[in-house]
Amino acid sequence: GDSVTQMEGPVTLSEEACLTINCTYTATGYPSLFWYVQYPGEGLQLLLKATKADDKGSNKGFEATYRKETTSFHLEKGSVQVSDSAVYFCALSQAAGNKLTFGGGTRVLVKP
Amino acid sequence: DGGITQSPKYLFRKEGQNVTLSCEQNLNHDAMYWYRQDPGQGLRLIYYSQIVNDFQKGDIAEGYSVSREKKESFPLTVTSAQKNPTAFYLCASSPQRGRTDTQYFGPGTRLTVL
Repeated sequence: GDSVTQMEGPVTLSEEACLTINCTYTATGYPSLFWYVQYPGEGLQLLLKATKADDKGSNKGFEATYRKETTSFHLEKGSVQVSDSAVYFCALSQAAGNKLTFGGGTRVLVKP
Repeated sequence: DGGITQSPKYLFRKEGQNVTLSCEQNLNHDAMYWYRQDPGQGLRLIYYSQIVNDFQKGDIAEGYSVSREKKESFPLTVTSAQKNPTAFYLCASSPQRGRTDTQYFGPGTRLTVL
């Protein structure tokens, strides 16, 4: 079945540092790929998505590129802020039912 | 404002009792989903519904039940058969236009079994 693997956290950074969270997937067909963010005590919010190979999703300074050859969708940000502290989830969706398959989540803590 | 509401935010239950979690959306979305989140883990799909009066089991449906009598509502019942019900429960909806759809999440309900 489909699966998503992302790097385990926590990831601790200083403000203005670069962030990379690795995400790889296993899936048949051509899934869509998503990054969701969860702030403490809240539900998930879509951060960005890409629906086909070589697409780049971007939002709020975050970027991720759909790499079919390496089955990856790594999340990057060039300069993080304290407000970026959250848990980040990589996920994929196949056509049947639009069900999301999630990775385990990566907790990011940005210190001033 | 359009969105998804879940109530209550915190719920306590005694062992052996059934409990129902509410999920309402006013986004006019066709599809709705229930996920379970355990500490330090990703989300796992419990049930989903693509249309009124129809729903399918997800990966961990045992011990749960749902209904979809109205487009805007998708309540989840956690039954006494669920062996380990303490978790954070998240409801989501999507327009159901296909695999590219974004799912929109509610704020969640934290269930604790005493």
